[in-house]
Amino acid sequence: GAGVSQTPSNKVTEKGKYVELRCDPISGHTALYWYRQSLGQGPEFLIYFQGTGAADDSGLPNDRFFAVRPEGSVSTLKIQRTERGDSAVYLCASSPGTRGTEAFFGQGTRLTVV
Amino acid sequence: AQTVTQSQPEMSVQEAETVTLSCTYDTSENNYYLFWYKQPPSRQMILVIRQEAYKQQNATENRFSVNFQKAAKSFSLKISDSQLGDTAMYFCASLGDAGNMLTFGGGTRLMVKP
Repeated sequence: GAGVSQTPSNKVTEKGKYVELRCDPISGHTALYWYRQSLGQGPEFLIYFQGTGAADDSGLPNDRFFAVRPEGSVSTLKIQRTERGDSAVYLCASSPGTRGTEAFFGQGTRLTVV
Repeated sequence: AQTVTQSQPEMSVQEAETVTLSCTYDTSENNYYLFWYKQPPSRQMILVIRQEAYKQQNATENRFSVNFQKAAKSFSLKISDSQLGDTAMYFCASLGDAGNMLTFGGGTRLMVKP
């Protein structure tokens, strides 16, 4: 596809369940980012991949959150034992990796934990 | 660490008029990048305009321009000839030369009225 694709668009899960959120970046983009956007706030950084490796995971809030990018393309954000406070829009972005270049965002996954 | 502050939670403007959105930031880095992103109800963040801190000339992109005051750490966005399609959330963001992730402000909700 031409842009960053995120699936599912919306996800409702019960407290305590495990969820996976998927991100398909723009083809050829080496850098991939996950952000979390709570209602009425700006996005907050979670994790950054350069290729297959997590170059910076300092934004992950706790060890219930984990992300992978095994082949340097698609990435999955995994949340264990979900809590109501995890409810937010999870945004994925990719970029060519050159310093200061534009990051292209997907439409996000709205996660609701009930 | 970088911080970005948007002091206007909501703004409104009449169609065809001009509006200015404010943004201040704080950084200890000498080189960095500043961005304005637009987020319509579709949730996808769309780049509006980009400024490199070492460039003194203010960036312009069609109806959008910035007033970059490096000493004051101010980066305001001016939208000329406002259109109904400009209605959206607008986020100011910074990218440090030493970091890899965007730091976003809290956003300004802009309503363009017919």
